[in-house]
Formats: sequence, structure tokens, C-alpha cells
Amino acid sequence: QSVLTQPPSASGTPGQRVTISCSGSSSNIGSNYVYWYQQLPGTAPKLLIYRNNQRPSGVPDRFSGSKSGTSASLAISGLRSEDEADYYCAAWDDSLSGPGEVFGGGTKLTVL
Amino acid sequence: QLQLQESGPGLVKPSETLSLTCTVSGGSISSSSYYWGWIRQPPGKGLEWIGSIYYSGSTYYNPSLKSRVTISVDTSKNQFSLKLSSVTAADTAVYYCARHFKIVAVDWFDPWGQGTLVTVSS
Repeated sequence: QSVLTQPPSASGTPGQRVTISCSGSSSNIGSNYVYWYQQLPGTAPKLLIYRNNQRPSGVPDRFSGSKSGTSASLAISGLRSEDEADYYCAAWDDSLSGPGEVFGGGTKLTVL
Repeated sequence: QLQLQESGPGLVKPSETLSLTCTVSGGSISSSSYYWGWIRQPPGKGLEWIGSIYYSGSTYYNPSLKSRVTISVDTSKNQFSLKLSSVTAADTAVYYCARHFKIVAVDWFDPWGQGTLVTVSS
């Protein structure tokens, strides 16, 4: 049971726009930045979006992030076959039981 | 460019201690603003943060694993290590190490090591 909630799957056809949601609470997304990681099949995760909506160097502008309240979204426009991967949201959690990093359960994106 | 490489036994017996080391190359583990973290991923499942350490030795641990986890750092070798005690089959996972940028409300993991599979089995 992940602290952040993501849909387990998403899909789209080449060229489409797809969004993946991430829901949290006031102790994580509501008070800290959201990050997105892309995990291509058989590889380690890679930072895709940082500080809610910033792209590291080399990440195409087809990828965008947003945050509102205790929820966040990752949008992928102009979907390409190479975008087929697992996507994870993450945030720092200021829980009283102990602060730490929390991840979503991941969303498997299929390009049809 | 900064690279991280995990190393350690791929098979650990139940009730024993899992020990892994992450070697950092292409940069100093003593860089300010950077913690160094461990994250794991059970086969077919999602990511779970285990803990992070600063070069000074300051640590954050996942509250759900805190009683069994010890993370240490060796700045002379540019390495940091993970020990997870009393392991069970539920600890079978790919273990990743990563640089953890953390300042107040800002934190992210980048880059990541390639990961190493640790299986808990007798």
C-alpha cells in the first residue's frame, strides 16, 4: 500500500496526450515538491520531473508536470513508442511518525 | 559524470543480515547538499525508499524499516553501505543506490546505480 496513489495503468496511441495522476496528503504533496521518475523496462529509474514541473537537461518538453493542493499530474504529449515505461511520483513526507521519501505505486504506460 | 555501482551478495539466508555497498565515482561523496540513498524494488512491484545518509553521518530512515536498517558512509573510499538485519523473503528485491539531493523541501534522486538483485532464500 503506497502512500501516494497512482493508477496502475495508462495507455495511448502515438501522438496522443496522456496524463498520469498522483494523489497524496497535506504531509507530503501538500507541503513539499513532487518528483516524477521514468523506469524503462529492465533499467533503473531516471529523474524525469523535479520541483513539480522542472525538466532536467535532456528530458524532452513533451513531458510536463503540475501540482495542485495534494495532487499532482504528469502529462506526456506527442506520445512515442519509447515512452512505454513505468512512471513513479515521489515526495518528501513530513509525517509525525518519521519524515522520509514516499513513492507512488507506479503507473505502467502502454503505447498502443 | 557521476556514477554509482552497487555490490554485495546476491543471495542471503532468512534471519541473516543483508549487506550492500555503493561505490561513487566521478565525484566526491563529501559534496555539500547531497545525501546518498538506498531504494529497493521487489520483483514486479514499486519503489520503496530505505534511507539516506549525509557524508557527516547524519541519516534519515524509512520509519517502517528503521529498526532493521543501518546506513554508513566511508568518505575515504567514496562509498556508503546498507545493512538490513533479520531478513525474510519479503526483503527480496532489486536494491538501488542513488545520489539524494536534499535541501529543506527540495529533494530528488539522481543519478541511480544500475541496481543489484538480492534474493532471500535458504
